[in-house]
Amino acid sequence: GAVVSQHPSWVICKSGTSVKIECRSLDFQATTMFWYRQFPKQSLMLMATSNEGSKATYEQGVEKDKFLINHASLTLSTLTVTSAHPEDSSFYICSAWTGLYYYGYTFGSGTRLTVV
Amino acid sequence: RKEVEQDPGPFNVPEGATVAFNCTYSNSASQSFFWYRQDCRKEPKLLMSVYSSGNEDGRFTAQLNRASQYISLLIRDSKLSDSATYLCVVNTPTGNQFYFGTGTSLTVIP
Repeated sequence: GAVVSQHPSWVICKSGTSVKIECRSLDFQATTMFWYRQFPKQSLMLMATSNEGSKATYEQGVEKDKFLINHASLTLSTLTVTSAHPEDSSFYICSAWTGLYYYGYTFGSGTRLTVV
Repeated sequence: RKEVEQDPGPFNVPEGATVAFNCTYSNSASQSFFWYRQDCRKEPKLLMSVYSSGNEDGRFTAQLNRASQYISLLIRDSKLSDSATYLCVVNTPTGNQFYFGTGTSLTVIP
């Protein structure tokens, strides 16, 4: 149990376009969703914390107007990379607390974004 | 000081070896601790939740030392398939924020 479904798994887009990434909690309610970015051979970096029904909290250095987060329901959070540029190419992963210590935090399968 | 600190390694060990990773945390009021495993180009997956009394799952043993504020992961009889990055995760006392260590890279060599 405690699965987060993330899609798309990978996407290639042209510079200047926007890309939306979705994360759905399938069998639990995710009041809070965390969005991470990971560059090759680097650790996960928290971008923002998304709370259902309220504005997301962004980490220092993350542009909120570029990375739009919407968490309209207890099972869906979206991250939209607006006006993507090649430097936005990265691995984006969402995560949510399952509510059970046994399961901990569960992650989506990640989205590999390549901007050309 | 970082919330969570981990030795990035890399650790290169022969098959069958025992290897241990430590992860220190700065907030003494932290309540929840986890070890995750991340394979290359994949999402992290929960390896073990860490309980106060310590817990074991097959070849893996997790320990919590509150006095010294660290958690440890011990892997016995290393297998080639154990090669991955191991991340420790520490929750804040409020429960709504958690911190990842930078990960420790392990390579098990034949």
